Amino acid sequence: QVQLQESGPGLVKPSQTLSLTCTVSGGSISSGDYYWSWIRQHPGKGLEWIGYIYYSGSTNYNPSLKSRVTISVDTSKNQFSLKLTSVTAADTAIYYCARWYYVSGRPLDYWGQGTLVTVSS
Amino acid sequence: DIQMTQSPSSPSASVGDRVTITCRASESISSYLNWYQQKPGKAPKLLIYAASSLQSGVPSRFRGSGSGTDFTLTISSLQPEDFATYYCQQSYSTPLTFGGGTKVEIK
Repeated sequence: QVQLQESGPGLVKPSQTLSLTCTVSGGSISSGDYYWSWIRQHPGKGLEWIGYIYYSGSTNYNPSLKSRVTISVDTSKNQFSLKLTSVTAADTAIYYCARWYYVSGRPLDYWGQGTLVTVSS
Repeated sequence: DIQMTQSPSSPSASVGDRVTITCRASESISSYLNWYQQKPGKAPKLLIYAASSLQSGVPSRFRGSGSGTDFTLTISSLQPEDFATYYCQQSYSTPLTFGGGTKVEIK
């Protein structure tokens, strides 16, 4: 059973960089059918896709965040990471990592439990 | 970006009721449509993928249908554990986008 777990600071100061890591267990991040995604959810709101990375390192970001986002992968640790620069209060959200299964409908089939990141001084 | 619009936004229903949630895409997305259930404090859980395929372990009272721009999630007989928020999501093109959510509440 694949499991994903987010980790990182729960509090980030405005203008600083938000950094989160997702650790994948129960499966290899290097499996070819999967892209590894970050999604966020503002408190009480809907879901926003941030971007994905393939194990080879290729990425795709949401244009709305592209100038501030970097997603990287460490296949040796079975982890992928998110960096979001120049954060403001509008970046306060629950951040989820998820596996995007790139076949048959291409669903986000496994999700981490999510981690709340608050941007505040 | 492909816009996903869900309706109704917040239906109230009773245990045993049949509930139908619709999702409309701003352009054709073939069958690249997935449905998720989210309960308070939890991550979304995949229910239906490819518009109509039931994810393993999901009860058969959940049914998805549609293709192109119009999709439906039906819960045939609402159970107490089904009171939650439901999201549709398109994977036809990036950026991946979600509907605004439909919160199924107890009448």
